[in-house]
Amino acid sequence: EAGVVQSPRYKIIEKKQPVAFWCNPISGHNTLYWYRQNLGQGPELLIRYENEEAVDDSQLPKDRFSAERLKGVDSTLKIQPAELGDSAVYLCASSLREKLFFGSGTQLSVL
Amino acid sequence: SQELEQSPQSLIVQEGKNLTINCTSSKTLYGLYWYKQKYGEGLIFLMMLQKGGEEKSHEKITAKLDEKKQQSSLHITASQPSHAGIYLCGATNQGGSEKLVFGKGTKLTVNP
Repeated sequence: EAGVVQSPRYKIIEKKQPVAFWCNPISGHNTLYWYRQNLGQGPELLIRYENEEAVDDSQLPKDRFSAERLKGVDSTLKIQPAELGDSAVYLCASSLREKLFFGSGTQLSVL
Repeated sequence: SQELEQSPQSLIVQEGKNLTINCTSSKTLYGLYWYKQKYGEGLIFLMMLQKGGEEKSHEKITAKLDEKKQQSSLHITASQPSHAGIYLCGATNQGGSEKLVFGKGTKLTVNP
């Protein structure tokens, strides 16, 4: 069975440019998460979806970040415009019950 | 909000040695997760503990949950270079995995 798939693997952009990340969760997993991990830190939750509904987006910086999960399967996370401080690894995870499975992440560098 | 403190922050051991990583929570633990991460990659699920006193093992890795101390430990026996990576504990202070908070991680280096 395929795991959580994320793309791109790496992204380098200049500040003020837009960027988007894509995630395909494990088939049948209703819950999808986006985490951000800064260097030397643990992952921090940005947003959690139950099917199509964003049930927890309290940590998402809504002035520049947006996310969607159309049809309750794939999800995209967008940053517009990107800032230097957005450089981090963006991780997507999905779960069916208590166990979260993570993708390989997208490593974003904002120059 | 719940905070998790991991110790040590980093650890260098010789191959074959045993080691222990600790994770202490500021609040009551309902679920404690251990993940392993290679640099720049995603998290690999190791174990989940839910009951006080629970202990689980997988190959040479054993994790225990001390509910009273709000603490979990991860023990690796006879470490190998393949054990190297960053070990992260994650915890929930309510039922389910909705509010999974992570510690900062422990970086393990195993020298051959």
